[in-house]
Amino acid sequence: GAVVSQHPSWVICKSGTSVKIECRSLDFQATTMFWYRQFPKQSLMLMATSNEGSKATYEQGVEKDKFLINHASLTLSTLTVTSAHPEDSSFYICSARGRNYAGNTIYFGEGSWLTVV
Amino acid sequence: KNQVEQSPQSLIILEGKNCTLQCNYTVSPFSNLRWYKQDTGRGPVSLTIMTFSENTKSNGRYTATLDADTKQSSLHITASQLSDSASYICVVKKNQAGTALIFGKGTTLSVSS
Repeated sequence: GAVVSQHPSWVICKSGTSVKIECRSLDFQATTMFWYRQFPKQSLMLMATSNEGSKATYEQGVEKDKFLINHASLTLSTLTVTSAHPEDSSFYICSARGRNYAGNTIYFGEGSWLTVV
Repeated sequence: KNQVEQSPQSLIILEGKNCTLQCNYTVSPFSNLRWYKQDTGRGPVSLTIMTFSENTKSNGRYTATLDADTKQSSLHITASQLSDSASYICVVKKNQAGTALIFGKGTTLSVSS
């Protein structure tokens, strides 16, 4: 079964509104979570890295005020797209890394499709 | 510049046939290399993870190879099935604290009957 759960899987919102995407680690404590966006037929692009209890580190070109990331607990990180516009429509994926990280494993969520109309 | 290049970009094969996907990287310092399978509209699923000292690793019909000297990796799929149709992504992690993963653009595999 999935060890990283994303919700919602699909969301449609009106332009100008905000939408929140949740990423949960189900079977482990995720000390670090990564948020990606993926356009059709493109590879994943890292948006930000968040460590539990601290501010997220954003990649160059990613607006931190537009893409709000919260990692308040060891099992939950949220991405809020504020004042969404049609160009924000994309596939958003999170991944999580556990505390021990012994197996070098990073688990990905199932992704969330965002359509802004 | 840290890059991960995959080839071919896309591939079409008949069910039951074998195929090999290539991945070349220039990431340094190197920590590990991963192959992921991503079905359309889904999150990536890990197939293999290989460190510097590993040359070959298998996961069912998937066999990954790694040549850390030439910085090349391959993913061989044996006896392909229709369900193998997906994007296969090569990902390299730098041996550097705090860094995430460097993704290739993927190879889109289509298996037809």
